Amino acid sequence: NAGVTQTPKFRVLKTGQSMTLLCAQDMNHEYMYWYRQDPGMGLRLIHYSVGEGTTAKGEVPDGYNVSRLKKQNFLLGLESAAPSQTSVYFCASLQDPYGVLTFGAGSRLTVL
Amino acid sequence: AQTVTQSQPEMSVQEAETVTLSCTYDTSESDYYLFWYKQPPSRQMILVIRQEAYKQQNATENRFSVNFQKAAKSFSLKISDSQLGDAAMYFCAYRGPRANQGGKLIFGQGTELSVKP
Repeated sequence: NAGVTQTPKFRVLKTGQSMTLLCAQDMNHEYMYWYRQDPGMGLRLIHYSVGEGTTAKGEVPDGYNVSRLKKQNFLLGLESAAPSQTSVYFCASLQDPYGVLTFGAGSRLTVL
Repeated sequence: AQTVTQSQPEMSVQEAETVTLSCTYDTSESDYYLFWYKQPPSRQMILVIRQEAYKQQNATENRFSVNFQKAAKSFSLKISDSQLGDAAMYFCAYRGPRANQGGKLIFGQGTELSVKP
């Protein structure tokens, strides 16, 4: 089925470890986003991309890096994980800036 | 900067009754887009309803409707004939009007709705 796929769905890290979350969409969407969801804080934008090869900072970018080398993929990296990065991460994509977001199923990350 | 506020962390409704979830936002724009999303325990984000600010008519989708008060910057969601399947976290979200804003959504904190049988 067409949509947004996030890998992995669950991950446990130790403080200081690094990891990459992969978001893949097969809808040829131009825009892609990474959000984090924390209790009582809703979804907050980490980074986003308006097209292949572009990235931009969102509301809470510190401690994260992203890359969009291919149009269908948007990678979120944690170089040195901290307990404050324990969260549920959502990827989403959009064909145009006025359309409806398609969300992935979320990735739960725990940093010990 | 634009902000979205949901002041009700939790709400409860009896099955078949009506409930209203509140949302206020702050923006200096005259045109924009507002959304309500539902997040059931499966964690999937589901679009419930969408409103364009230039439209005066309130959006409706079956049992879901909004009360859009532009001057008050208020965007509440009314759920009629509540069903057990409506139990979920509900998020209000805002999007600015211009393409160069990147289409990104700004979300409120969420309201957890429980439905009592």
